[in-house]
Amino acid sequence: DSGVTQTPKHLITATGQRVTLRCSPRSGDLSVYWYQQSLDQGLQFLIQYYNGEERAKGNILERFSAQQFPDLHSELNLSSLELGDSALYFCASSATDFSTDTQYFGPGTRLTVL
Amino acid sequence: EDKVVQSPLSLVVHEGDTVTLNCSYEVTNFRSLLWYKQEKKAPTFLFMLTSSGIEKKSGRLSSILDKKELFSILNITATQTGDSAVYLCAECGQGNLIFGKGTKLSVKP
Repeated sequence: DSGVTQTPKHLITATGQRVTLRCSPRSGDLSVYWYQQSLDQGLQFLIQYYNGEERAKGNILERFSAQQFPDLHSELNLSSLELGDSALYFCASSATDFSTDTQYFGPGTRLTVL
Repeated sequence: EDKVVQSPLSLVVHEGDTVTLNCSYEVTNFRSLLWYKQEKKAPTFLFMLTSSGIEKKSGRLSSILDKKELFSILNITATQTGDSAVYLCAECGQGNLIFGKGTKLSVKP
């Protein structure tokens, strides 16, 4: 158990809908990262927040957004969902910046868009 | 575009064998290279490499980075069935983490 929690574990929804994925980092960690893992694209970095502020951005679609709250938990919002958004979404956390700290991954949320 | 390439894509060995997994990268503003093991769940961290030529070791696993030739290797000695997993390497550059597609290792008893 990494200490990173994600909810829900599974999510099934329809195209065009909007969902919110939630992540609580390990106690004391200030950075939260979101990743998408699909069969054809592999593991892709989406976005990083550090102490409430956006720190780095990867291949995140405009339909997706994230935020980190004062209690350091983070939410990833996915809107206007398409079939291709079906994937495993991981959250990871680290103490500070990921170039120097180990990232610990949560168990993931499996999103299925029908 | 920055790129991380892993080879081989898959590998089948028998228990006790030694394996070497490769990771090459092409990236600007390199900061570190990371290795992860992913079984049927979330990736778990193995190593972070920042300096050339310094081997990092953890039990039967070891890894080394060559910043001149832009590659890293992950060695696993005396493989066990529990080593069966997908091994991912990722390059950390300027504000981004780029993963390779992974090497799927299957260790047969």
